Amino acid sequence: DADVTQTPRNRITKTGKRIMLECSQTKGHDRMYWYRQDPGLGLQLIYYSFDVKDINKGEISDGYSVSRQAQAKFSLSLESAIPNQTALYFCATATGSSYNEQFFGPGTRLTVL
Amino acid sequence: GEDVEQSLFLSVREGDSSVINCTYTDSSSTYLYWYKQEPGAGLQLLTYIFSNMDMKQDQRLTVLLNKKDKHLSLRIADTQTGDSAIYFCAEKGTGGFKTIFGAGTRLFVKA
Repeated sequence: DADVTQTPRNRITKTGKRIMLECSQTKGHDRMYWYRQDPGLGLQLIYYSFDVKDINKGEISDGYSVSRQAQAKFSLSLESAIPNQTALYFCATATGSSYNEQFFGPGTRLTVL
Repeated sequence: GEDVEQSLFLSVREGDSSVINCTYTDSSSTYLYWYKQEPGAGLQLLTYIFSNMDMKQDQRLTVLLNKKDKHLSLRIADTQTGDSAIYFCAEKGTGGFKTIFGAGTRLFVKA
């Protein structure tokens, strides 16, 4: 079984709808991240969390919110989706070791019409 | 601010060596990374180098770090079709808890 899972894997929605993307991990890591990937732009950090009570904004948090329901679960919400939020979204975890290797989920492809 | 830049495409013939280059701006970076993304999958750490090293070799992979020029490269020897993927250069950001990624270099391997 995959260590970092994301649901759904694909989602098509309409402008103005509220969307939640979910991430679960079985690695026992404290650190979790949400990234957005756009072609030619690489990965941009949306939010990150070091534990259940610690949530931090990344570079592009406007229009997004997150919830860390448990150590193993980190959800990303789009309160009112807009077309320029169409992208590939990745969840990642990390141990917090000195070299901070990150482990990525398979991604959620979101299309906002 | 922190930035990582790399070219977007590289095409090589099977059996040749591939060299993917990257430049970064944060001179205080302690770790630099190469992640690989295969089609339909998330990123996976391929290798990393600590900033006090100039070179790291791991089987077919050689990482070279030039701190003076803030230049990182990844050489893949005897490139195979299975190496076709997107390769992301990244650095450990200031504060140590964020990773700054480049845009990724798409490697095409021609048979």
